[in-house]
Amino acid sequence: GENVEQHPSTLSVQEGDSAVIKCTYSDSASNYFPWYKQELGKRPQLIIDIRSNVGEKKDQRIAVTLNKTAKHFSLHITETQPEDSAVYFCAASGYSGGSNYKLTFGKGTLLTVNP
Amino acid sequence: GAGVSQSPSNKVTEKGKDVELRCDPISGHTALYWYRQSLGQGLEFLIYFQGNSAPDKSGLPSDRFSAERTGGSVSTLTIQRTQQEDSAVYLCASSPDSNHEKLFFGSGTQLSVL
Repeated sequence: GENVEQHPSTLSVQEGDSAVIKCTYSDSASNYFPWYKQELGKRPQLIIDIRSNVGEKKDQRIAVTLNKTAKHFSLHITETQPEDSAVYFCAASGYSGGSNYKLTFGKGTLLTVNP
Repeated sequence: GAGVSQSPSNKVTEKGKDVELRCDPISGHTALYWYRQSLGQGLEFLIYFQGNSAPDKSGLPSDRFSAERTGGSVSTLTIQRTQQEDSAVYLCASSPDSNHEKLFFGSGTQLSVL
């Protein structure tokens, strides 16, 4: 089955700096890669996603890049603000050998933005 | 309701007791998921329901765990003979389609097994 590795597990940046979180996946058949943000004590929420036919996607201060050959994808947050502080989860989903497929999550990255 | 609703929000139980956790998905969403979130362990897949198809139970950690979804809507996750290692936040999510995209999560049930 799919295995998703996420790094770093914790990340601390100064307000205004950029933050980058990286994930690798094992199943070359995976074709959908979402990112979820979970603020302290709250539910995870989808913030951005990318499909395997696209190399990059941007939404205001956040962007996601995908390298299918290397099987890794990254989340980039520019001009970080204190409200960006949260746990971020990457995930991968796609058919694998005709069996059922599911969304497999990484272990998460705790991002702290210091004012 | 406006979102995925889970109850109870907190559950404290004694080791060996059975617990039932409830999830009300967003109306019209055909897909429903249960995940377990332990400290530092991310989101662990437990079970997935899609319409009237047989559920994908491949993530259930033991036969003490079971789940059902009645009428394609409300789901209950049952843990029998709870153990301390079952302590975690149990998250339910629903999605409007079968492509595992755009999951909407509930606030979770914090389960503590003493």
